[in-house]
Amino acid sequence: DAKTTQPPSMDCAEGRAANLPCNHSTISGNEYVYWYRQIHSQGPQYIIHGLKNNETNEMASLIITEDRKSSTLILPHATLRDTAVYYCRVDRGSTLGRLYFGRGTQLTVWP
Amino acid sequence: GAGVSQSPSNKVTEKGKDVELRCDPISGHTALYWYRQSLGQGLEFLIYFQGNSAPDKSGLPSDRFSAERTGGSVSTLTIQRTQQEDSAVYLCASSSTGTGFYEQYFGPGTRLTVT
Repeated sequence: DAKTTQPPSMDCAEGRAANLPCNHSTISGNEYVYWYRQIHSQGPQYIIHGLKNNETNEMASLIITEDRKSSTLILPHATLRDTAVYYCRVDRGSTLGRLYFGRGTQLTVWP
Repeated sequence: GAGVSQSPSNKVTEKGKDVELRCDPISGHTALYWYRQSLGQGLEFLIYFQGNSAPDKSGLPSDRFSAERTGGSVSTLTIQRTQQEDSAVYLCASSSTGTGFYEQYFGPGTRLTVT
């Protein structure tokens, strides 16, 4: 798996967009970018994934740079419940196998 | 519907004792995963069950760790002769499999403390 680099922490005001960056400069052409989050005392929760194109679902948007060496997870209107650790990872294939997460980014949404 | 459940939610044990952790996956999910997460650390893969295939045990840290999955459903993770470094949150996840993308759904975890 390609390594990923994320800032350890970020803050965001409630109602504003939270933009969470991830660097994956060694990503291979067949590796997807996945985002998960983990709210305190709960198991990780899948958010979104993508290969080349930008993706959007009911939870978030994923912007992948043209060279695919970095991506940004966007929570368009952050709420207090979005306070969590956000994990970015890359992996081959379209079916998830084993997961390895680094330390992720602690996002704190404040009122 | 019901999600992945794990029991117990918390377990405190003395060093050297054996412990069993249980996971009930989502009904119909053929893939089951065990992970552990130490305080402030990322997720560490332990073992993966897929249908009737031999499990992928490559993540188990030592031979003190073992896991079973009975009847393709419930799984038990056993840690023998527990050590203090085994203290962590043990997470179970399940997913459907096939072609395409299948999300892993995680349980709430079992917090294991070895004293």
